[in-house]
Amino acid sequence: AQKVTQAQTEISVVEKEDVTLDCVYETRDTTYYLFWYKQPPSGELVFLIRRNSFDEQNEISGRYSWNFQKSTSSFNFTITASQVVDSAVYFCALSAGYSSASKIIFGSGTRLSIRP
Amino acid sequence: GAVVSQHPSRVICKSGTSVKIECRSLDFQATTMFWYRQFPKQSLMLMATSNEGSKATYEQGVEKDKFLINHASLTLSTLTVTSAHPEDSSFYICSAMAGGGNQPQHFGDGTRLSIL
Repeated sequence: AQKVTQAQTEISVVEKEDVTLDCVYETRDTTYYLFWYKQPPSGELVFLIRRNSFDEQNEISGRYSWNFQKSTSSFNFTITASQVVDSAVYFCALSAGYSSASKIIFGSGTRLSIRP
Repeated sequence: GAVVSQHPSRVICKSGTSVKIECRSLDFQATTMFWYRQFPKQSLMLMATSNEGSKATYEQGVEKDKFLINHASLTLSTLTVTSAHPEDSSFYICSAMAGGGNQPQHFGDGTRLSIL
């Protein structure tokens, strides 16, 4: 069975603080994809990153960075120097199997609030 | 980048009405489309997977007679909520992908359905 756990339901920080959103996944497949999506109040899903199971390199994109650790089945997301515009619900997700066309299993989401 | 258009973005209708939601891939041919439902403050849950020209595969607990899915062309899938009731009020999001392999899924902007 596949499962994605985002233990942090809500996080609130002051602007300019760094914040890390945790994600732990479960799958028996050796080939899988991990994703992060942002969902602002308007509702649309904004794609942030896709990582396949064979690529454990950490990634940095501007103020965003991701730490993928297969040993702990985690794919954590850090926002550096947070801004009010970062306020949204963030979903970690998993697609198991060779093809990312396999269905995507979403975590329960973390609601991030950045206070001015 | 790949664009998926979902229409309408918002619909309000009376109980007992049937509502059709369209999902179109604008600049690619989508062999597979997915339909998700998101209740307020909850995660996205996959309802069904549809492949062009064949019957949709529904997730456990989703009534296929209630949520009719048609994927008649490579650029259009429709979800019809039949005889909608207030408990069907939700945010419905589609995603589409081209071909197989490791093609990514592209999400529409969602449809907010409110049944009075």
